[in-house]
Amino acid sequence: GAGVSQSPSNKVTEKGKDVELRCDPISGHTALYWYRQSLGQGLEFLIYFQGNSAPDKSGLPSDRFSAERTGGSVSTLTIQRTQQEDSAVYLCASSQHGFYGYTFGSGTRLTVV
Amino acid sequence: TQLLEQSPQFLSIQEGENLTVYCNSSSVFSSLQWYRQEPGEGPVLLVTVVTGGEVKKLKRLTFQFGDARKDSSLHITAAQPGDTGLYLCAGEDTDKLIFGTGTRLQVFP
Repeated sequence: GAGVSQSPSNKVTEKGKDVELRCDPISGHTALYWYRQSLGQGLEFLIYFQGNSAPDKSGLPSDRFSAERTGGSVSTLTIQRTQQEDSAVYLCASSQHGFYGYTFGSGTRLTVV
Repeated sequence: TQLLEQSPQFLSIQEGENLTVYCNSSSVFSSLQWYRQEPGEGPVLLVTVVTGGEVKKLKRLTFQFGDARKDSSLHITAAQPGDTGLYLCAGEDTDKLIFGTGTRLQVFP
């Protein structure tokens, strides 16, 4: 596609439920990144996929968070047993040349009530 | 863990004023990027600076990379309401970007 697409754009869930967030990167971009942004502040790195290499999961805050990338394209971020502190905007970015210039999606705003 | 601190955190100014935003770190970066984010959207890349002392201009925006490649600044001349947004600097950390704490700019007409 022309840009990075994320769905849903908004998600309200009850505490303790599981949620899945989807990211469709730009076609041909081999690198895909997930970040979290709380209250319009800076971005917190979560996880990074590069081609067929093992993902860099060093930013995942707990074992309730996981992500996969199927066929080197679409990625899904899963949060199990959601907590109120998980409420944030989850941003996905893709890149053709590593960290030299990300293209971000519009994000998924997650609210845990 | 490398950290990027931005100052000021918030800035409210009148249209036509000049402003400077700072991005500082104790670590050396091979390059720094600046992004602008508007409400409800993801950040959009403005510029990448790669050489110590480098200055890049983008219309009314001037970006500078410190000589030691530990800091950067963004200067806006004659700010306009369309410049309103969250400005983020970012540097690389092992094949991924880490982002600064952000500067929220509000320009009033």
